[in-house]
Amino acid sequence: AQSVTQLGSHVSVSEGALVLLRCNYSSSVPPYLFWYVQYPNQGLQLLLKYTSAATLVKGINGFEAEFKKSETSFHLTKPSAHMSDAAEYFCAVTRRGTGGFKTIFGAGTRLFVKA
Amino acid sequence: EAQVTQNPRYLITVTGKKLTVTCSQNMNHEYMSWYRQDPGLGLRQIYYSMNVEVTDKGDVPEGYKVSRKEKRNFPLILESPSPNQTSLYFCASSLGQGSTDTQYFGPGTRLTVL
Repeated sequence: AQSVTQLGSHVSVSEGALVLLRCNYSSSVPPYLFWYVQYPNQGLQLLLKYTSAATLVKGINGFEAEFKKSETSFHLTKPSAHMSDAAEYFCAVTRRGTGGFKTIFGAGTRLFVKA
Repeated sequence: EAQVTQNPRYLITVTGKKLTVTCSQNMNHEYMSWYRQDPGLGLRQIYYSMNVEVTDKGDVPEGYKVSRKEKRNFPLILESPSPNQTSLYFCASSLGQGSTDTQYFGPGTRLTVL
């Protein structure tokens, strides 16, 4: 069954530094992978998604992620962190259920950005 | 404005008192879903619906019911709430029924069961 693991429940970076949030998936079939962001007291919004086209996916707000099948990873990066990037980030994968497609989320990584 | 709305946003109730959390979307989306968010566990899917009158269990359906009588609405029903259902609940919708669709989330409902 598909699942996702996010390494590190908390990540702290300085403003201007590289952001790297890790996500590994387990899947017996080619996965569809997503990164969502949750700002304080808000719902989730999509950052980017991999749907088996290009392996390097660019998203909103300068984020990108690379699908690496050999490493079963889909890490999220941003070259230069901004204070407004402070939020919780969730990696997710979809899998087929009996009545359609289910979504499996990772436990989340909270990003702190220091001035 | 395209959006997913949930009501109420905050609710405190007591064990065993039936409650309903409403969810509505104005984007004519086929797919709707309910999640609960708990610290350290991320979001877990409770139920989802591919279309009117078509629903299926997610990973944590116990203690919950749903119905999809209209395309725009997908209420979550707790017939007999218990303290372990204290959580932050999100409704979401997406345009298609496939596995690659972006989900649009509501603002959340924080439920406390005493």
